[in-house]
Amino acid sequence: DGGITQSPKYLFRKEGQNVTLSCEQNLNHDAMYWYRQDPGQGLRLIYYSQIVNDFQKGDIAEGYSVSREKKESFPLTVTSAQKNPTAFYLCASSSRTDDVYGYTFGSGTRLTVV
Amino acid sequence: AQSVAQPEDQVNVAEGNPLTVKCTYSVSGNPYLFWYVQYPNRGLQFLLKYITGDNLVKGSYGFEAEFNKSQTSFHLKKPSALVSDSALYFCAVKKGTGGFKTIFGAGTRLFVKA
Repeated sequence: DGGITQSPKYLFRKEGQNVTLSCEQNLNHDAMYWYRQDPGQGLRLIYYSQIVNDFQKGDIAEGYSVSREKKESFPLTVTSAQKNPTAFYLCASSSRTDDVYGYTFGSGTRLTVV
Repeated sequence: AQSVAQPEDQVNVAEGNPLTVKCTYSVSGNPYLFWYVQYPNRGLQFLLKYITGDNLVKGSYGFEAEFNKSQTSFHLKKPSALVSDSALYFCAVKKGTGGFKTIFGAGTRLFVKA
């Protein structure tokens, strides 16, 4: 079955540590997105990518970095510059950024600072 | 600028009764509108969308939504609620015709009591 796989499901980060969240899709989608979800705030866009080797900052990109070296993969690194990283992180994809079909989401990664 | 408002943090309804989850939006031009559902510790699942055509849109699990252009609303409805419908519901809007950014509402928690 086609879909999006996020790993790990749970991740614990120590202060000052960088961590990388994995997102892989086998839907042959061009566009991929990273969202952060906090209680009562809905989803906020961190980064998005329309094609391989290209990505754009979203609304809350500070303290995060991404890469898009392969169509299937869009990993997110939460750096030590992100002061409040505890949240639920969702990866999504769509066939194109301007399509009409909505997004397919992964199951999410819950990141906790310890 | 695009925006989405879900005025209710929580909606409570008895099983078997009709349910409505409200959504209003603001976008220039014609909107693309979406509803997603999220179960605990999972990603969002697509329910339905409005692109053009009939104002009443039918989606998954017996849900439907009514597009009202004059009131800029896209309320989610179901004639008879089930306990299993209890979840977090997100409305989302995208600018049609060349738009690429989807904006999500803050979410409404639906609680269906047996």
